[in-house]
Amino acid sequence: EAGVVQSPRYKIIEKKQPVAFWCNPISGHNTLYWYLQNLGQGPELLIRYENEEAVDDSQLPKDRFSAERLKGVDSTLKIQPAELGDSAVYLCASSLQGWRRTEAFFGQGTRLTVV
Amino acid sequence: QKEVEQNSGPLSVPEGAIASLNCTYSDRGSQSFFWYRQYSGKSPELIMSIYSNGDKEDGRFTAQLNKASQYVSLLIRDSQPSDSATYLCASEAVSWAGGTSYGKLTFGQGTILTVHP
Repeated sequence: EAGVVQSPRYKIIEKKQPVAFWCNPISGHNTLYWYLQNLGQGPELLIRYENEEAVDDSQLPKDRFSAERLKGVDSTLKIQPAELGDSAVYLCASSLQGWRRTEAFFGQGTRLTVV
Repeated sequence: QKEVEQNSGPLSVPEGAIASLNCTYSDRGSQSFFWYRQYSGKSPELIMSIYSNGDKEDGRFTAQLNKASQYVSLLIRDSQPSDSATYLCASEAVSWAGGTSYGKLTFGQGTILTVHP
């Protein structure tokens, strides 16, 4: 069974440019998460989807970040415009169910560098 | 206060020793707890989950949960150099949106473990 797939693995962009990340969750997983991880820190939740519905986006900086999960499968996270402080690893994770005993599995992550 | 806190580390143990990793959480509504291992430059990998008070053993790993003290730990017996990684503790609390309950997974900052030969 294929795991969570993310692309690209690495991205270098200039500040003020847009960038997008893509995630394909494990087949059948209805819950999808986008996390941000800074160096030396644990993952921090940006947004969580239950199927196609964003159920927790309280930590998503909505002035520049947006996300979508059309048809409740693949998801895209976009930043526009990017700032230097957005440099981090963006992790996508998925799980089979949205509550209790949620075993979440992570993709390889996208390492974003904003210069 | 952070929702999930881990002992700051880094933790260094000799090969063959027991490594003890600790975690406390603030939300008494948390029901499920997880330990993830993250090698440098890699993504977190789920290694243990625990839902009830007491111990849960899986090979060289033992997770311990004490809900009264809001404390979770991970013991690694017979530590190997390949266990050297960052260990992340995560708790799941129930959150509500649109009248439906969902699990909210929150991570600690991680503890770096080094096992030296």
